[in-house]
Amino acid sequence: DAGVIQSPRHEVTEMGQEVTLRCKPISGHDYLFWYRQTMMRGLELLIYFNNNVPIDDSGMPEDRFSAKMPNASFSTLKIQPSEPRDSAVYFCASSTGTITGELFFGEGSRLTVL
Amino acid sequence: SQQGEEDPQALSIQEGENATMNCSYKTSINNLQWYRQNSGRGLVHLILIRSNEREKHSGRLRVTLDTSKKSSSLLITASRAADTASYFCATDARDTSGSRLTFGEGTQLTVNP
Repeated sequence: DAGVIQSPRHEVTEMGQEVTLRCKPISGHDYLFWYRQTMMRGLELLIYFNNNVPIDDSGMPEDRFSAKMPNASFSTLKIQPSEPRDSAVYFCASSTGTITGELFFGEGSRLTVL
Repeated sequence: SQQGEEDPQALSIQEGENATMNCSYKTSINNLQWYRQNSGRGLVHLILIRSNEREKHSGRLRVTLDTSKKSSSLLITASRAADTASYFCATDARDTSGSRLTFGEGTQLTVNP
């Protein structure tokens, strides 16, 4: 079975540019999570969806961040405009049945904002 | 704020030795999980232990949970160089936003051949 697929794996952009990260969860999983990992703050939950509906976006840093899940097999995390402090590894994860059960992570998107 | 805190932050051992990592948490939980992350990769689930369980085994992994002390430990026996990775505990904390899985800051394990 294919795991969680994220793209791009690496993104280097300049401050002010729009960044779009993409995620395809495991088929049949009804929960999708976006996490951000930095050395300073560790792994932080940004937002999660249940059956394509955003449930909790309290971890989204500010209005520059937005996430969508137009269907069960695709989600995006967008940063507009990007800032150097957004540099991090962004992970998408999915799970089935419960928000606090086993998570299946993608390989991450490493974002560098210059 | 982090619900789980791992100890030690870094651990370096020789191949064949056992590695023990600890996790402490603050609030009541329903379950606690351990994940591994190899450098540059995503997190991989290792084991889940429920609050009514005290010990769980999976291959060379042994996890204990002491809810009275709000702590857990992960023991890797007969370590191998391939076990070199960061290990994270995750707890299902409940806050004003509801339940969520919250990760600790991790223990970096290095197994020297």
